[in-house]
Amino acid sequence: QSVLTQPPSVSGTPGQRVTISCSGSKSNIGRQYVYWYQQLPGVAPKLLIYNDDQRPSGVPDRFSGSKSGTSASLAISGLRSEDEADYYCAAWDDSMSGFGVFGGGTKLTVL
Amino acid sequence: EVQVVESGGGLVQPGGSLRLSCVASGFTFSDDGMSWVRQAPGKGLEWVSVISASATGTYYADSVKGRFTISRDNSKNTLYLQMNSLRADDTAVYYCAKGDGHSSWHNPGFDHWGQGTLVTVSS
Repeated sequence: QSVLTQPPSVSGTPGQRVTISCSGSKSNIGRQYVYWYQQLPGVAPKLLIYNDDQRPSGVPDRFSGSKSGTSASLAISGLRSEDEADYYCAAWDDSMSGFGVFGGGTKLTVL
Repeated sequence: EVQVVESGGGLVQPGGSLRLSCVASGFTFSDDGMSWVRQAPGKGLEWVSVISASATGTYYADSVKGRFTISRDNSKNTLYLQMNSLRADDTAVYYCAKGDGHSSWHNPGFDHWGQGTLVTVSS
């Protein structure tokens, strides 16, 4: 069971807006930056969001990140079939000696 | 073009050792923190370890602390992961990942990943 909690799955239809939540605690999301990754089947993850809400160059503005307290969210608007993938949140946890942590992942299905 | 390429994976018996390597190119290797992330078959991502740009700082997941050692040779643009006392639950694809440089070196923001190398621990 991960320190960061994500729903196992979400779904949406093309053109729709979906959100994926990531719930943590004060020692991670509450005090540290949140990152979001997209992983298509069989390939390495791709960074979608860094520092809570910043998009790397090349990531479409359909993807957006937000954070409030100890929870974060990834929103995908104008859903496309190619968005079907696994999505992971990540953060540093400054409890104990410090460690990185990923959420358990959310499978997005485009219906 | 930024590239990180892992090697060194394979089949190893429980209790055995393996050293993974990751050769980087296309960026100033000595400027960035580097990490290892693994993914067991059919499972999610698991953060393993991170090392600072100058190799003066390291962190490990509890699941590998005391068994794995991360290191780097900036003169060779190479990151390493020495894995000892391997267990069946260490079976995974191991990814080398470059820190994005937008915040502290230990943060799990990775802007480039390798293709991964598979480590299988089995008798």
